[in-house]
Amino acid sequence: AQSVSQHNHHVILSEAASLELGCNYSYGGTVNLFWYVQYPGQHLQLLLKYFSGDPLVKGIKGFEAEFIKSKFSFNLRKPSVQWSDTAEYFCAVNEDEKLTFGTGTRLTIIP
Amino acid sequence: DTGVSQDPRHKITKRGQNVTFRCDPISEHNRLYWYRQTLGQGPEFLTYFQNEAQLEKSRLLSDRFSAERPKGSFSTLEIQRTEQGDSAMYLCASSPTGWKNTEAFFGQGTRLTVV
Repeated sequence: AQSVSQHNHHVILSEAASLELGCNYSYGGTVNLFWYVQYPGQHLQLLLKYFSGDPLVKGIKGFEAEFIKSKFSFNLRKPSVQWSDTAEYFCAVNEDEKLTFGTGTRLTIIP
Repeated sequence: DTGVSQDPRHKITKRGQNVTFRCDPISEHNRLYWYRQTLGQGPEFLTYFQNEAQLEKSRLLSDRFSAERPKGSFSTLEIQRTEQGDSAMYLCASSPTGWKNTEAFFGQGTRLTVV
């Protein structure tokens, strides 16, 4: 079964800093990859997704992620974070018609 | 709001009681998923439906858990004889078809506290 690793459990950044959150999945083949965000008190929302094609995918709110097949990675990036990006971020991979999630990274942005 | 809606949002129950949660997916979404999320963890898959058919259940879903989607629209998740370990956020998601080339939309969840 697939597993997803998010090694950064809690990241604290100042506004305008650059962000990179790591995500690795356990094995290859054809995968669909997702980043979801959960703002405080809100439901999970899709940030971006990779199905095929260009390995650099752009999502909402200035986020992007790069799929590197050889590294089984799908890291999330944002060049300049804002206080409103404070949230929990989950990487997920599809497997047999369901999503497998990582444990999440809590991102705290200091004004 | 035409998103996925879950009811109730919060439920506190005594150990040993039965509880039932409801999920209304986005209209015309064939797939409906149940997930469970505990503190510090990502959502864990419980079960999913294609229309009214329950196609897969996780090993996490003990005999005390049962889910239904009788008419292929809303779904219910029942937990019998609740235990403290059942305390978690129960999430519902729906998607038009499978995960391939599409995304799932999540509800706000039902937070269960077993005391």
